[in-house]
Amino acid sequence: GAVVSQHPSWVICKSGTSVKIECRSLDFQATTMFWYRQFPKQSLMLMATSNEGSKATYEQGVEKDKFLINHASLTLSTLTVTSAHPEDSSFYICSARNDRPPYEQYFGPGTRLTVT
Amino acid sequence: LAKTTQPISMDSYEGQEVNITCSHNNIATNDYITWYQQFPSQGPRFIIQGYKTKVTNEVASLFIPADRKSSTLSLPRVSLSDTAVYYCLVGGTTSGTYKYIFGTGTRLKVLA
Repeated sequence: GAVVSQHPSWVICKSGTSVKIECRSLDFQATTMFWYRQFPKQSLMLMATSNEGSKATYEQGVEKDKFLINHASLTLSTLTVTSAHPEDSSFYICSARNDRPPYEQYFGPGTRLTVT
Repeated sequence: LAKTTQPISMDSYEGQEVNITCSHNNIATNDYITWYQQFPSQGPRFIIQGYKTKVTNEVASLFIPADRKSSTLSLPRVSLSDTAVYYCLVGGTTSGTYKYIFGTGTRLKVLA
């Protein structure tokens, strides 16, 4: 099946610093990728839709200046958490939507972010 | 966006068949139905996708009635390793809107 990778798989950073998370579709092209956040024992919450070559679309309540998204190619999207704070600690998951029908979405393994 | 409703949790025993039903009353014409499995601290794993009638692959079957307002994921002969959260998602290319909104999912616990 299709593979989506994320890097890093986990990261610990100090409060006030920025962290970049990469999401790659390894064997298919994805014009559209999505970023989710998941807190323990809760469902995934969509943060933003990332489109190659254009600005990301953020869900209500998600600060676009804090969560910077760049989708520079058909296989790579990045999420940068700027000026991270402990409340940003969470499990971040990306997904990539296959450009070909029936447009399945495949998810990455997730990135555990801990802000100290 | 089509909202989905699933049972919050289910218990089953090893070797049994498990059926998880999802309702999506306002599914759009172009929407597909997709099921994912998620283990703790992992990303959701694609299980199966369908549009209508029945779809079967090596791990599951998906039954979709003619009105498409619900769907049932069938897992044959579950094992302990099938203990996970299962999500039903609906989405397609209707008006370019194809983002997935996750519901609560169904927490399946398989008992020995």
